Amino acid sequence: NAGVMQNPRHLVRRRGQEARLRCSPMKGHSHVYWYRQLPEEGLKFMVYLQKENIIDESGMPKERFSAEFPKEGPSILRIQQVVRGDSAAYFCASSRESSGNTIYFGEGSWLTVV
Amino acid sequence: AQSVTQLDSHVSVSEGTPVLLRCNYSSSYSPSLFWYVQHPNKGLQLLLKYTSAATLVKGINGFEAEFKKSETSFHLTKPSAHMSDAAEYFCVVSDNYNQGGKLIFGQGTELSVKP
Repeated sequence: NAGVMQNPRHLVRRRGQEARLRCSPMKGHSHVYWYRQLPEEGLKFMVYLQKENIIDESGMPKERFSAEFPKEGPSILRIQQVVRGDSAAYFCASSRESSGNTIYFGEGSWLTVV
Repeated sequence: AQSVTQLDSHVSVSEGTPVLLRCNYSSSYSPSLFWYVQHPNKGLQLLLKYTSAATLVKGINGFEAEFKKSETSFHLTKPSAHMSDAAEYFCVVSDNYNQGGKLIFGQGTELSVKP
């Protein structure tokens, strides 16, 4: 049973380009979460999604960032017009239910903006 | 609102000696508490979790943590450190009633293990 799969693991983008990060949850998991880890900091919640629905996006920056979890396929975190401050590790996690269930993390996608 | 405070940003121990990583939490509801470990440039691995059952929780790799409501603490311990324990450790709180699966992370404690 594969864990949470994220790709790419490492991504380099120039300022102004778009970054797309993909996440396939564990088999049987319908809840997906995205977290961001800035250098020397802990992880910060960004967004919580179920299939075709955004449940909580309270941690998402107001501009340039969006997330989706379509009926078919992986969850996508999209960052438009990237800036240097977007350089971070982005972690995806999944769970079976929204509460009372363990959340499993992927190995992360490291975004570097040059 | 929930929060979690890891009292030490860096802890250094010698191999074979005990490990203590301290964590205090704040939560309006009955919290779930977790410890995760992150090795350099790697993802997060769950060490253990507390979800209102036994207050002393045993995890993987010999780690354990005790939930103390009166002290609002959830410190992580291990009797004897191993070189492979060197990593970043995160104390995490989740409010099951209102937050779905949203987790609140502490700032992390870096554990160094000297030979």
